[in-house]
Amino acid sequence: DGGITQSPKYLFRKEGQNVTLSCEQNLNHDAMYWYRQDPGQGLRLIYYSQIVNDFQKGDIAEGYSVSREKKESFPLTVTSAQKNPTAFYLCARSKNGGNSGNTIYFGEGSWLTVV
Amino acid sequence: AQSVTQPDIHITVSEGASLELRCNYSYGATPYLFWYVQSPGQGLQLLLKYFSGDTLVQGIKGFEAEFKRSQSSFNLRKPSVHWSDAAEYFCAVGPFTNAGKSTFGDGTTLTVKP
Repeated sequence: DGGITQSPKYLFRKEGQNVTLSCEQNLNHDAMYWYRQDPGQGLRLIYYSQIVNDFQKGDIAEGYSVSREKKESFPLTVTSAQKNPTAFYLCARSKNGGNSGNTIYFGEGSWLTVV
Repeated sequence: AQSVTQPDIHITVSEGASLELRCNYSYGATPYLFWYVQSPGQGLQLLLKYFSGDTLVQGIKGFEAEFKRSQSSFNLRKPSVHWSDAAEYFCAVGPFTNAGKSTFGDGTTLTVKP
């Protein structure tokens, strides 16, 4: 694997509910990321965090929230404000963030379906 | 603005044939370029990356890519495709924390015919 674990693999959400996707990394890397992938499309950045207790919005942050209380954990909450949450969610890590050529490594992803 | 274009949405090749997947980028400085592969329902796996130096980069699974600054391209190649190479391939340009900029291409789906 990429040193990063996502859970659960499959999650179902009812309309109006918040759900939280877990992402844990064990390589002591500084930066973590959340991407959304829709069928037949590329990846879109939701949020990223370069250090503990700090995170930045990506391209499509509306309807999502994150926290970075510990270096190894970067959970993503999909709130009821996200109108079209059904998608594949990918968490990723890199040694450090910033404007450098860091390589990012992905987890195995989580499928979220609204029922 | 930073962007990546993969002109081919879907490519079909016969097993044993050669493969080239195209990637064009737009970036104001020397880019950091990556190719990832994704099997259905899985995360993305890094195939290779280019930061600087030799413009021909070797990766895992027999893949290579060539950086051509004059053409703003970073095409992925493999001399002989195996059935297990069927997957989706993504080109990406870093750095990854430039929020609001498109850093991944939309992907190319590779089908391998027996």
